[in-house]
Amino acid sequence: DAGITQSPRHKVTETGTPVTLRCHQTENHRYMYWYRQDPGHGLRLIHYSYGVKDTDKGEVSDGYSVSRSKTEDFLLTLESATSSQTSVYFCAISETSGVHEQYFGPGTRLTVT
Amino acid sequence: KNQVEQSPQSLIILEGKNCTLQCNYTVSPFSNLRWYKQDTGRGPVSLTIMTFSENTKSNGRYTATLDADTKQSSLHITASQLSDSASYICVVSATKKIIFGKGTRLHILP
Repeated sequence: DAGITQSPRHKVTETGTPVTLRCHQTENHRYMYWYRQDPGHGLRLIHYSYGVKDTDKGEVSDGYSVSRSKTEDFLLTLESATSSQTSVYFCAISETSGVHEQYFGPGTRLTVT
Repeated sequence: KNQVEQSPQSLIILEGKNCTLQCNYTVSPFSNLRWYKQDTGRGPVSLTIMTFSENTKSNGRYTATLDADTKQSSLHITASQLSDSASYICVVSATKKIIFGKGTRLHILP
């Protein structure tokens, strides 16, 4: 998985609790992304980062926040988890936002009960 | 509206047979098109990347084609193997936007 780890790999949490997912890379890539993958949908971008402390929203950002204090770490936080946020979350990295390829992490399966 | 449509949704073939997966897109302005393979429980892994000027690219038994005029791409798998069982995702990039298709689920039977 191209030097990308995600933690935790699986999590079950209750509605209303805060949850933080971590993505860690060892490739020193500038761009990092958080996606969610749900049945019947393609991967959908939640947030992305184009550098330390530089982040922007994707198409499904409501209910999520992110932070990037170091090049290697990108955190995704669900401030108050809801059942609609039950999903598989993937982190990805790339050298640039253009032609360069995106490498994906192994994913985190989150269940909100 | 930027969209990527893949067909079929799922496909079952016998080991050793060939198959072709389709991807139609309406993304503009076009930057590049990628095919990914996603095994169950894992993240997607890139197979090919094609820019506007490329119309064929191969990666082992995988061959992708691109017709930028008709906005269509195909992924051809030759001599399928059991390990080819996976989802195949077409991804089209435009300026500041990446659009993912929903994927084709391929099952290879022994």
